[in-house]
Amino acid sequence: DTAVSQTPKYLVTQMGNDKSIKCEQNLGHDTMYWYKQDSKKFLKIMFSYNNKELIINETVPNRFSPKSPDKAHLNLHINSLELGDSAVYFCASSHNENGNEQYFGPGTRLTVT
Amino acid sequence: DAKTTQPTSMDCAEGRAANLPCNHSTISGNEYVYWYRQIHSQGPQYIIHGLKNNETNEMASLIITEDRKSSTLILPHATLRDTAVYYCIVRVNQAGTALIFGKGTTLSVSS
Repeated sequence: DTAVSQTPKYLVTQMGNDKSIKCEQNLGHDTMYWYKQDSKKFLKIMFSYNNKELIINETVPNRFSPKSPDKAHLNLHINSLELGDSAVYFCASSHNENGNEQYFGPGTRLTVT
Repeated sequence: DAKTTQPTSMDCAEGRAANLPCNHSTISGNEYVYWYRQIHSQGPQYIIHGLKNNETNEMASLIITEDRKSSTLILPHATLRDTAVYYCIVRVNQAGTALIFGKGTTLSVSS
């Protein structure tokens, strides 16, 4: 069974479009995250949600909006896509108990042309 | 910014132990040392974490120096599938705290 899943795995779209990436975890975790890995392979936190509430919002353009309909889902909506948004986006989740190691999804490779 | 320093790359022969060092001289008293790895084209994978004591699990061992300013991740019998980028991260053990990734160490295991 997949613990953290993301859809789609690949997303190719044109500049100016609006797109969404979905993330679901079946681990019963309380906290979910979005990370971005750019072309230089640097992984950076974008957002985190704990029990559906936003707790981390790094300096990310407001074209990016996370939505958490329930504890098991954290979707990422991106408006007016730009070339610089091309990257791999990883969703992760963790339990609130001590240790709270994060489990990552397989990633969504977004290419903006 | 990442609070850790790791070598850019390391090589290891298959079946030998891989020892990956990490410096974290500014670690705070409430920060843990976490290790993750990222195999090519996959999401990062949790390996192990510790505060003061040495830790061991089915994947690896973590040795933390007494002053906590450095640590070593040990893969006792490296296989080709252990080829990956290994990240050493310090963070407080608090719900929702983000992982701050550095550049990591690229470990290449060869036969």
